[in-house]
Amino acid sequence: EAGVAQSPRYKIIEKRQSVAFWCNPISGHATLYWYQQILGQGPKLLIQFQNNGVVDDSQLPKDRFSAERLKGVDSTLKIQPAKLEDSAVYLCASSPPGGETEAFFGQGTRLTVV
Amino acid sequence: AQSVTQLGSHVSVSEGALVLLRCNYSSSVPPYLFWYVQYPNQGLQLLLKYTSAATLVKGINGFEAEFKKSETSFHLTKPSAHMSDAAEYFCAVRGSGGYNKLIFGAGTRLAVHP
Repeated sequence: EAGVAQSPRYKIIEKRQSVAFWCNPISGHATLYWYQQILGQGPKLLIQFQNNGVVDDSQLPKDRFSAERLKGVDSTLKIQPAKLEDSAVYLCASSPPGGETEAFFGQGTRLTVV
Repeated sequence: AQSVTQLGSHVSVSEGALVLLRCNYSSSVPPYLFWYVQYPNQGLQLLLKYTSAATLVKGINGFEAEFKKSETSFHLTKPSAHMSDAAEYFCAVRGSGGYNKLIFGAGTRLAVHP
């Protein structure tokens, strides 16, 4: 089966610019996650969707980050305006319903803010 | 709430030696536990998971982990390291019930020397 698709793979922007990332989860997966992974650190959960509803966004910097999941399928994560400290890999993952199920990850988008 | 602590950000072993990567968790409910591996410029790949069926869990590439409730641990082991095992390893926890978050540890970088 097709995996989690993310685009773009790499993005370089200047601070204060805006950027958007796209994720297409595995077909039928109700749960979708966006993680931020700063170099040398573990993935930090930014937002978790169940279908098209948000179940956790407690660590999403809402003054500059936004995310949506239209029709419970694809999702976009936006940063506006970007800061230097937003440089990281943004990982999208999806999983079927059930806490025992693992998350399947895309290859990520590496963002560099200069 | 759930959390994960991985002891040792860097572990170095010789080829053929035992691999031991440590993970301790905290969870207010019975947990589901996961080990993921990440190769450079890649997303995360599941190695194995604990879902309460058996305390000793076998995964891919010869890895296994044992769930010890009394020690709140889920350490990852492999009897004989191979050069191809060099990567970053992440332990993750999710609480049972509901749509609980999937929380990752900071990771352990494994180096394998000839």
